[in-house]
Amino acid sequence: QKEVEQDPGPLSVPEGAIVSLNCTYSNSAFQYFMWYRQYSRKGPELLMYTYSSGNKEDGRFTAQVDKSSKYISLFIRDSQPSDSATYLCAMSASRGSTLGRLYFGRGTQLTVWP
Amino acid sequence: SAVISQKPSRDICQRGTSLTIQCQVDSQVTMMFWYRQQPGQSLTLIATANQGSEATYESGFVIDKFPISRPNLTFSTLTVSNMSPEDSSIYLCSGGQEGETQYFGPGTRLLVL
Repeated sequence: QKEVEQDPGPLSVPEGAIVSLNCTYSNSAFQYFMWYRQYSRKGPELLMYTYSSGNKEDGRFTAQVDKSSKYISLFIRDSQPSDSATYLCAMSASRGSTLGRLYFGRGTQLTVWP
Repeated sequence: SAVISQKPSRDICQRGTSLTIQCQVDSQVTMMFWYRQQPGQSLTLIATANQGSEATYESGFVIDKFPISRPNLTFSTLTVSNMSPEDSSIYLCSGGQEGETQYFGPGTRLLVL
């Protein structure tokens, strides 16, 4: 079993839709959770960062962590065509060494059509 | 945050040759890393680039194949040696301050024929 599982999609939604992206993990030691956005032919860009359980909101984006279920989500409200990208979840067990070793999901490819 | 650039952005190489990828950060960072991203796969950490000392390699990656240098706090290189078609991938550099999140470069797309 991989440390981090993420449905690769692809996911295609109309503009204005609410998008839900998810990852599950097996290592209960993970405490730091990140979402990166990667546009085609670009490097991953940090989108959201949360520590432990709970929600974090930033504009149209909400990151949710449920450690009891080992499940994290990223919600995108009022999705825009500019949100079309691959979304990668990443997580880490320790804060040291720049949040320790990062474990990434495979990424979910999202297309928002106008 | 840190802005990271990589050179070259892409290359096509012949098997048996070597390619050195450069990573430049716009500010001093304590940590720098090298990743590989293969199509449809998650990012895989190759090694941590340590300033002034040998890199720390992850399981499955060795110094002879992927020698890494980090002469200062803003620059690192990764060499892919004696390349084969299996080395075709995107190579990503990342960096950040100790205990904080990592920022990524745009990647180097490598095709080995």
